[in-house]
Amino acid sequence: SQELEQSPQSLIVQEGKNLTINCTSSKTLYGLYWYKQKYGEGLIFLMMLQKGGEEKSHEKITAKLDEKKQQSSLHITASQPSHAGIYLCGADKFGSQTGANNLFFGTGTRLTVIP
Amino acid sequence: DTGVSQDPRHKITKRGQNVTFRCDPISEHNRLYWYRQTLGQGPEFLTYFQNEAQLEKSRLLSDRFSAERPKGSFSTLEIQRTEQGDSAMYLCASSTGTGGINEKLFFGSGTQLSVL
Repeated sequence: SQELEQSPQSLIVQEGKNLTINCTSSKTLYGLYWYKQKYGEGLIFLMMLQKGGEEKSHEKITAKLDEKKQQSSLHITASQPSHAGIYLCGADKFGSQTGANNLFFGTGTRLTVIP
Repeated sequence: DTGVSQDPRHKITKRGQNVTFRCDPISEHNRLYWYRQTLGQGPEFLTYFQNEAQLEKSRLLSDRFSAERPKGSFSTLEIQRTEQGDSAMYLCASSTGTGGINEKLFFGSGTQLSVL
């Protein structure tokens, strides 16, 4: 079965520092989603990548999908306390009977930003 | 507020009791999903509705679990004879139902279930 592995599991950075979170799949990805989750809350959509080599940015967050479509990275520039939370990568379950987006997720990366 | 709303936010119950959670999706969304998330893990897919039809169920959804979406709007998830292993965050998500890779899931804040 396809799995998503995230690294690191947790990350503590000083405010203002850059950081990168990785998401690796055992199989080719047909859609890669990045979500952010505050502790005890729901998921907030950040970005979706589909094409090999694709890169998207929103404010200080940049996400990339490699050419082979098996690895994605999320990069945060000049981190702020508001960036703290759990970052989850999710992928579309290719082969779903109904074609619905019942995503499966990695275990998440817990980010702490120290002011 | 036009987001996905879930009720209650927290539920504490004794083992063996039945519990029911409610999810109100974004009003124009045809698809509604239920996920379960345990501590330190990512969300796991449970089931999904296209309007009122339940089209897919995960192996995780044992026969003690039942989900409904009778009028294609709100949905309920019931767990009968709860067990301690059912303790988790139950997340609801909705999407437009246009399908395909570009479809975004919008998540609610979840219902945190604790079974004592």
